[in-house]
Amino acid sequence: QTVVTQEPSFSVSPGGTVTLTCGLSSGSVSTNYYPSWYQQTPGQAPRTLIYNTDRRSSGVPDRFSGSILGSKAALTITGAQADDESDYYCVLYMNSGIYVLGTGTKVTVL
Amino acid sequence: QVQLQESGPGLVKPSETLSLTCTVSGGSISSYYWSWIRQPPGKGLEWIGYISYSGSTKYNPSLRSRVTMSVDTSKNHFSLMLTSVTAADTAVYYCARFGHYYFDQWGQGALVTVSS
Repeated sequence: QTVVTQEPSFSVSPGGTVTLTCGLSSGSVSTNYYPSWYQQTPGQAPRTLIYNTDRRSSGVPDRFSGSILGSKAALTITGAQADDESDYYCVLYMNSGIYVLGTGTKVTVL
Repeated sequence: QVQLQESGPGLVKPSETLSLTCTVSGGSISSYYWSWIRQPPGKGLEWIGYISYSGSTKYNPSLRSRVTMSVDTSKNHFSLMLTSVTAADTAVYYCARFGHYYFDQWGQGALVTVSS
C-alpha cells in the first residue's frame, strides 16, 4: 500500500521560513494528486489550509503557501508565528479513487 | 457556514459494532460528498472513506471489509458503522465535507473507546 511521507518534525524561529514536504513511497507527487494540507493543534479538529496544490482555504493567512517542489508537494510557512506551532498533515488523492493521509509533521516555533 | 456534529456511543465492547452519525446543519447534505477520518490517541489521521449524497461509497482498502457508510437526506445526516472492533479502533472519529478533492469542513470529533 502506498505510504505518504512527511518529515516527523521541524523547528523554525519566529519570523522564519519553513518548508514541509509530502512525498510518495513510490513515485512523484504531481498536481494530479490534488495535494491538500491541514493544520491541527492538540485537542482540536484539523483546519484546512491549502487545497488543489496551491489554493488557500478561506481565511487562511497568505504566509501559508502550497506548491510542487521536485517530486513532492510542499507547504511553506513564511514569517512563522507562535500560533503556527501545530501538526501539519497532507492528503493525496490516488487514481484508484482513495485518499491517503501523510504521516504528519510537528512544527515547533522557538 | 455549514457545521458538522458527530454523535454516538463513546464506549464500545470488543467484537461489537461501532456506530456514529454526523449531523449537518446550516446547509444541505445534498450535492456534496461526505467523509469519515479517524485519529488514534497520539497518532496520525487515517481516512476511512466517503459517501455521496446519493449513496455511492469509497472505502479505505484496509478497512473495507468492516466499514459501511449510509446517508439519510431527509434527516440531513450520514452514518458510519465499523464491525468487529478491537482496541486498535479506539480513536477520535471526525466527519468532514468534501470539497473538490479535499476536506473543506470538519466536525469537532468524537472519541470512541473500545474496551470491555
